[in-house]
Amino acid sequence: AQSVSQHNHHVILSEAASLELGCNYSYGGTVNLFWYVQYPGQHLQLLLKYFSGDPLVKGIKGFEAEFIKSKFSFNLRKPSVQWSDTAEYFCAVNARTGNQFYFGTGTSLTVIP
Amino acid sequence: KAGVTQTPRYLIKTRGQQVTLSCSPISGHRSVSWYQQTPGQGLQFLFEYFSETQRNKGNFPGRFSGRQFSNSRSEMNVSTLELGDSALYLCASSLSQPGETQYFGPGTRLLVL
Repeated sequence: AQSVSQHNHHVILSEAASLELGCNYSYGGTVNLFWYVQYPGQHLQLLLKYFSGDPLVKGIKGFEAEFIKSKFSFNLRKPSVQWSDTAEYFCAVNARTGNQFYFGTGTSLTVIP
Repeated sequence: KAGVTQTPRYLIKTRGQQVTLSCSPISGHRSVSWYQQTPGQGLQFLFEYFSETQRNKGNFPGRFSGRQFSNSRSEMNVSTLELGDSALYLCASSLSQPGETQYFGPGTRLLVL
């Protein structure tokens, strides 16, 4: 079975600091990769996704993620965080042969003004 | 387009009761997936419906069941509720092909007393 690991459970940063959230998955086949964000009191929203092509993908609000196939990783980055980035971030993996998404346990990000 | 809608938004039930949750997908989306979200566990996949048929199933007991109607709306039922069923239940819809982006509703928060 597939699994997704998010190693950072809680991250606290000051505004303007750089962010990198780790995501590793276990699956030997071809996958689609996603990062979702859940702002306080809001529902899950798609931040960015990778299906194929350039392994560096850009999403909304200045986020980007890099797919490194050899490391089974899809880390999320942002060069300079803002207070409004305070949220919970979920990495998700989906095998292209099925429609079952596997989510990590999430990383709670708190940005201090 | 209207997003994914879920009703009701909040529910309080007692142990042993049963509950039915409803999800209306984005117009044109034919796949509906259900997830259970709890603190520390993240999102756990319950099942996915496509064209009124269960296409994928997670590792939940048979007390959790679902169905999909011809208009793609879906319901999820939990029978003989247990305290551990307290969670946020999320519905996500996507187009027909496996692996496509899932769009989430706001969830139904279920509290079992």
